[in-house]
Amino acid sequence: GAGVSQSPRYKVAKRGQDVALRCDPISGHVSLFWYQQALGQGPEFLTYFQNEAQLDKSGLPSDRFFAERPEGSVSTLKIQRTQQEDSAVYLCASSLAGRGLGDQPQHFGDGTRLSIL
Amino acid sequence: GQNIDQPTEMTATEGAIVQINCTYQTSGFNGLFWYQQHAGEAPTFLSYNVLDGLEEKGRFSSFLSRSKGYSYLLLKELQMKDSASYLCAVSRPGNTGKLIFGQGTTLQVKP
Repeated sequence: GAGVSQSPRYKVAKRGQDVALRCDPISGHVSLFWYQQALGQGPEFLTYFQNEAQLDKSGLPSDRFFAERPEGSVSTLKIQRTQQEDSAVYLCASSLAGRGLGDQPQHFGDGTRLSIL
Repeated sequence: GQNIDQPTEMTATEGAIVQINCTYQTSGFNGLFWYQQHAGEAPTFLSYNVLDGLEEKGRFSSFLSRSKGYSYLLLKELQMKDSASYLCAVSRPGNTGKLIFGQGTTLQVKP
């Protein structure tokens, strides 16, 4: 498809389990972002990739969160030993621009709604 | 710290005009984005302002005053489908393009 695709759309896990969330960005987009969105709040930045390089991971809440984009296209956000406070919608966004090339609109996927029981 | 403020909720009538305000205090400022988000869906890009003034795009317009740290989104000829959350987001220089979002304004359009 033409847009950003995320899977799964919904994920339910028990506390302590590991989860992996996938993002397929728009083809050719250099930049990829992960955001976390709590109910009734705006998205909060987690991490940023330019191609395969993770240039900013300042928003990751703890070392249980890990993201990768090994071939500069698909990205995976992994959460280990999940906790109830990890319940949120995880949004992926991509844009054409690389670092230093000015603002470009970010195109978002529909997100993965994660519920930790 | 970074602070972006928007009203939590607004209600307006179909066919009317509504203005959604956003004020920001950030360490550095590059530009300001507005996104629309329907419940359970992806945020979609509406507008981007980097210079002071009004940007018009069909029924939607966005205004920016850098000196006042203030922006607004103006929606004209409201339609029921405009019921959604409207997100204000700031980008800062040298920060990889990541966005700092406000909490969003939920707009309800009534017949």
